[in-house]
Amino acid sequence: GENVEQHPSTLSVQEGDSAVIKCTYSDSASNYFPWYKQELGKRPQLIIDIRSNVGEKKDQRIAVTLNKTAKHFSLHITETQPEDSAVYFCAAPDLSGYALNFGKGTSLLVTP
Amino acid sequence: NAGVMQNPRHLVRRRGQEARLRCSPMKGHSHVYWYRQLPEEGLKFMVYLQKENIIDESGMPKERFSAEFPKEGPSILRIQQVVRGDSAAYFCASSETGAPYEQYFGPGTRLTVT
Repeated sequence: GENVEQHPSTLSVQEGDSAVIKCTYSDSASNYFPWYKQELGKRPQLIIDIRSNVGEKKDQRIAVTLNKTAKHFSLHITETQPEDSAVYFCAAPDLSGYALNFGKGTSLLVTP
Repeated sequence: NAGVMQNPRHLVRRRGQEARLRCSPMKGHSHVYWYRQLPEEGLKFMVYLQKENIIDESGMPKERFSAEFPKEGPSILRIQQVVRGDSAAYFCASSETGAPYEQYFGPGTRLTVT
């Protein structure tokens, strides 16, 4: 199936700094790239997604960029706050086109 | 608009027992996906169902695991003769379309096998 690699596995930033998480994928036909935020013991929440016909999408402090040539996409969080602390997962469609293949997650810690 | 519902939230079973996990999709969603999450790992796809049909079960173990999504009622993930390795969080997600776009997750069922 689609191979999704996510880096870094842990990230610690100070409040107010920016955080960037990167993912690479293997299937050049992939056309949808969501990001999920999961707080401890909670459900994964869809926070932003991008389709392959655009290179960047922004929603307040969160943005996602996509480089189809290099087959990677990134999550950018600006002006981080302690409540941004969570595990973030990237995903890309499985070769079947139905399911999502997830990265292994990035544990983000924002310290006051 | 209620989100994806799952029950029970926590389930404890002894080895050899059966586990039944239920998922009700968001209103208007007819596509359900089940994922399994082991501790400190990502989510792994198990099975994709539409009403009364299994579309893709490529991620589900061939033995002991089964899933259904009847015409009426929630989707059910059934694990027979549970083993300790089945201990995990099981999440279902639903979407409005049959593609992987905008899958919304339920709160999960945390299965512990003793």
